[in-house]
Amino acid sequence: DTEVTQTPKHLVMGMTNKKSLKCEQHMGHRAMYWYKQKAKKPPELMFVYSYEKLSINESVPSRFSPECPNSSLLNLHLHALQPEDSALYLCASSQGLTERGYKYGYTFGSGTRLTVV
Amino acid sequence: TQLLEQSPQFLSIQEGENLTVYCNSSSVFSSLQWYRQEPGEGPVLLVTVVTGGEVKKLKRLTFQFGDARKDSSLHITAAQPGDTGLYLCALRRLGGTSYGKLTFGQGTILTVHP
Repeated sequence: DTEVTQTPKHLVMGMTNKKSLKCEQHMGHRAMYWYKQKAKKPPELMFVYSYEKLSINESVPSRFSPECPNSSLLNLHLHALQPEDSALYLCASSQGLTERGYKYGYTFGSGTRLTVV
Repeated sequence: TQLLEQSPQFLSIQEGENLTVYCNSSSVFSSLQWYRQEPGEGPVLLVTVVTGGEVKKLKRLTFQFGDARKDSSLHITAAQPGDTGLYLCALRRLGGTSYGKLTFGQGTILTVHP
């Protein structure tokens, strides 16, 4: 299995809703990431998990709450979002954060297209 | 200031033409990666370049890493409509609090017309 699977593919939510995005990989990768991407722009890093521990939080608003239940799963819990949070949310994984792993690329999922109304 | 400067931002060409995308930085890279992203999909890794002066080929795509490891280029020969997409260069940080972080250039949106 060489894929990162993200669900759902599309999500429309109101500003008062609570929803979760899910990400799963079975490649044995020990680093997992959440990125946010606006149209025609590069992905922007939100969170990094290394060995199931939060390693980097790029000053993301608390209405986004990540969770890593185990080495294969990554969730992003959403609450009280704003319309400007509408974007493509990408999950990615990689072999790790060590120097030995720097040659390896990230494997990205297809993303969740989120619309906040 | 951007860590990675990618150019051009937009490229619209006819099928069969050649093109080059550039990625530059004022800092030395330990390695640089190129990704391609199609609409509705996540980025897909094309290549990682590590050694200064390195050239890698992937069918009609040629990737070059500058001798000083501060710049890289992607050259596509005889572009086809299937090459259409967003091309991203990316740098993987190895030091400080951003250890392991993948930082992207601004991206190049390539459209190849039949």
